[in-house]
Amino acid sequence: QQPVQSPQAVILREGEDAVINCSSSKALYSVHWYRQKHGEAPVFLMILLKGGEQKGHEKISASFNEKKQQSSLYLTASQLSYSGTYFCGTIQSERGGSNYKLTFGKGTLLTVNP
Amino acid sequence: NAGVMQNPRHLVRRRGQEARLRCSPMKGHSHVYWYRQLPEEGLKFMVYLQKENIIDESGMPKERFSAEFPKEGPSILRIQQVVRGDSAAYFCASSPFPGQGALGYTFGSGTRLTVV
Repeated sequence: QQPVQSPQAVILREGEDAVINCSSSKALYSVHWYRQKHGEAPVFLMILLKGGEQKGHEKISASFNEKKQQSSLYLTASQLSYSGTYFCGTIQSERGGSNYKLTFGKGTLLTVNP
Repeated sequence: NAGVMQNPRHLVRRRGQEARLRCSPMKGHSHVYWYRQLPEEGLKFMVYLQKENIIDESGMPKERFSAEFPKEGPSILRIQQVVRGDSAAYFCASSPFPGQGALGYTFGSGTRLTVV
């Protein structure tokens, strides 16, 4: 089941903030966030395993609401280097399962202008 | 630590030929995942393998596509009798056992397949 990301695209000026949302209709084991620049491989940003967990990476942080199966990625004081496409990936909870298939949303294109 | 190695980086095949894409996971990683990405689109899951086992192949077309991850050597994604619609970037990712700890998946640089 593919997670749903919003918005599809964001345009910021350097120094502005942005929030990218990711939601699933299925119970989740974990949520991953990746950034991909044009023509390059996706790069891992962070993973959230527990409900309500919030993690940080430089000025990029994320939260995970386990009850709502929703995650948000927060980018504060954006820099030009933050430009790229952000993907959330989800692994569903399976009772007694061992299938760690990571399914990605369609992505959010973030453009940071000077 | 060489990371996830994919080769070739670029592959051109004529319609009807076979394409073989290779992926060597990071050292210590025993789980491999293949994704397909069309231009300006997202990452579409194809197959998830562990050494000598296919865990989930729900995203892989039933015909012409196959994948393996042998005990020794790289994981191989094989596309037989390629068609123009197979043209895409194919990414491989690897991880250690995903059920332990907060570890992300590491992606290779991808293979750009062009079918002419």
